[in-house]
Amino acid sequence: KAGVTQTPRYLIKTRGQQVTLSCSPISGHRSVSWYQQTPGQGLQFLFEYFSETQRNKGNFPGRFSGRQFSNSRSEMNVSTLELGDSALYLCASSASGQAREQYFGPGTRLTVT
Amino acid sequence: GQNIDQPTEMTATEGAIVQINCTYQTSGFNGLFWYQQHAGEAPTFLSYNVLDGLEEKGRFSSFLSRSKGYSYLLLKELQMKDSASYLCAVRDSNYQLIWGAGTKLIIKP
Repeated sequence: KAGVTQTPRYLIKTRGQQVTLSCSPISGHRSVSWYQQTPGQGLQFLFEYFSETQRNKGNFPGRFSGRQFSNSRSEMNVSTLELGDSALYLCASSASGQAREQYFGPGTRLTVT
Repeated sequence: GQNIDQPTEMTATEGAIVQINCTYQTSGFNGLFWYQQHAGEAPTFLSYNVLDGLEEKGRFSSFLSRSKGYSYLLLKELQMKDSASYLCAVRDSNYQLIWGAGTKLIIKP
C-alpha cells in the first residue's frame, strides 16, 4: 500500500505570493490533517478534513485555507506569504479522526524570502 | 489553554535505559500518542495509551496516568539509531491532536 505523498517537496516563494500544497493520503483513508512544523515550536495543527468537510481548525489566520476532494486528496493554500510562514508543512492521513494512528507524509519544505 | 510539556533535550548512553516524560493539560482526553521523528524525516507512530497503565512494545514502553496528566516513554537497550526527536501528543475532546514541542534524544557511544 503506497504511503502518504506530498508535492512539492521543496518550495521557495517570495513575500506576498501565494502557494498551494498537495497531499494524497493512503488509499482508503478519509481523514487528512495538516500541520506546520518549525524548530522549537513542534507541530502546530492547521486543520483536519474528513469526507470533504473541514472538521477541525487550529489557530491560524485566514490566509491559511484548505480543501479536500472526493478522492480524499487534500490541498492547502497560503495567501500573502510572510517570512514567518517558512516551515515544514506535514500532512497526515488516518482511516478516521478517531483512529489510533496517523500516517505522515514526507512534508513540503517552504521557504519564504 | 491547552499545554503539553516535555524536556527539550536528553542525552543517554548506548545500551542504557532512558525515560522521556510528558505532562499535559488539555480540554478533555481521548488518548495520548508518542511519535518518533528522525532529523529531516516525517514522524512515525510509536505508541498509543487511552487507559492508565503501561503499554509495552519491544524495547519501547509507554505509561499513562490520566489523573496526574502524565505519561512517559521508556526506551531500553538504547541503540544509536534511537537518536531522534520524540513527540508527545494528546487527543482532546474535539478529537484534535495537541502536540508537545518534542524531546531531542542524543545517544552517545
